[in-house]
Amino acid sequence: EVQLLESGGGVVQPGGSLRLSCAVSGFNFFNYAMTWVRQAPGKGLEWVASISDSGDDTYYADAVKGRFTISRDNSKNTLYLRTTSLRAEDTAIYYCAKDSWNVVRGVNWFDPWGQGTLVTVSS
Amino acid sequence: QSVLTQPPSASGTPGQRVTISCSAGSSIIGDNYVHWYQHLPGTAPKVLIYRNDQRPFGVPDRFSGSKSGTSASLAISGLRSEDEGDYYCATWDDGLSGWVFGGGTKVTVL
Repeated sequence: EVQLLESGGGVVQPGGSLRLSCAVSGFNFFNYAMTWVRQAPGKGLEWVASISDSGDDTYYADAVKGRFTISRDNSKNTLYLRTTSLRAEDTAIYYCAKDSWNVVRGVNWFDPWGQGTLVTVSS
Repeated sequence: QSVLTQPPSASGTPGQRVTISCSAGSSIIGDNYVHWYQHLPGTAPKVLIYRNDQRPFGVPDRFSGSKSGTSASLAISGLRSEDEGDYYCATWDDGLSGWVFGGGTKVTVL
């Protein structure tokens, strides 16, 4: 069974940092691109970042570019999202999801998704 | 404001058919596949339709997707109480080199 388990969320002050992790099992992690999507309270889904199977190619939403870094450790079957210079508007549940292909392309879809980890940016 | 426009809400009685639209002001829908995600309360989002009209294994055939020009739609036939939740369309934007989601449609079963 494919499983994705996010961790690392919490309460952080504005300007602070957090590293989110997504531990996966049940599939060959190194063969698939991966994605982070977030949902702010009362808002819809928002794509954050994606990474290819090798980690060589990364893509970011304009809202997080320069502040967030997506990475992966294929030896540990783990996806990461390093978040820095956090703002109140970054408060959200962060979901990791498995792409359907090894590269980041529009032909992909996200399946499955994890249960999410909550990041709260507040002083 | 989302690049993809969805109605904020849709509703129907059990057994009815509900249709959710997803439109774009540019050609991003026409240039790429549209995928639909279901997000039920307290659960992880789940893919409902991929590549415009394909249903993953396990998704009932009550759910169907279509695309024409710069818009796409999701239809739910035989509406059931367990369908209550939020539905999102998504597509790849070549100009942004990133994914865009619609604002979401909350489906209510009356």
